[in-house]
Amino acid sequence: AQKITQTQPGMFVQEKEAVTLDCTYDTSDQSYGLFWYKQPSSGEMIFLIYQGSYDEQNATEGRYSLNFQKARKSANLVISASHLGDSAMYFCAMRDWNSGGSNYKLTFGKGTLLTVNP
Amino acid sequence: ETGVTQTPRHLVMGMTNKKSLKCEQHLGHNAMYWYKQSAKKPLELMFVYNFKEQTENNSVPSRFSPECPNSSHLFLHLHTLQPEDSALYLCASSQDLTSNNEQFFGPGTRLTVL
Repeated sequence: AQKITQTQPGMFVQEKEAVTLDCTYDTSDQSYGLFWYKQPSSGEMIFLIYQGSYDEQNATEGRYSLNFQKARKSANLVISASHLGDSAMYFCAMRDWNSGGSNYKLTFGKGTLLTVNP
Repeated sequence: ETGVTQTPRHLVMGMTNKKSLKCEQHLGHNAMYWYKQSAKKPLELMFVYNFKEQTENNSVPSRFSPECPNSSHLFLHLHTLQPEDSALYLCASSQDLTSNNEQFFGPGTRLTVL
């Protein structure tokens, strides 16, 4: 079973509008971390936002916020006031204990391609 | 220079060639990673190093050989690759291996195997 599921291969949003990118995860750990990364066409993965499993409040970083619903195991990214530079691939990732391994492992979803239209 | 750098940015090689990818981080981190990103697939973790010691080899074929001479540098030596190895190879670093530390990525090396 997939540990990170991003059900939207592609999303379109009008400039200046808000958009939500979905992410659900699967883990049996109580302690884990959730991350969102942005990957523009240049290839570099850019860290956007982090949510810890014990954090009671939703994480926010500027125009990015994370809608964390622990019981539903979802960690959706909300981008407010989109602009053209937000067009990119967005990856949700989770870090939990690597079963059978010796450390925490970061697992990525397949990503969502966001296109912001003028 | 700051952040995580990777060289070369693009590499084309034949199946009989030997080449190396280089990664350098200027963040004072202790953990470094190699990932493979193929088209339409999630990022695949290949190797993890913590304080220069390899802590994970994610069932990677032996034609990929990592080397971590110190905490700031990470290499990926390539030999007798296959066309299906063509992908974007991303290097990343983090402060350590605990769950709440984000990984900082380099720009990647776009590898094409002919």
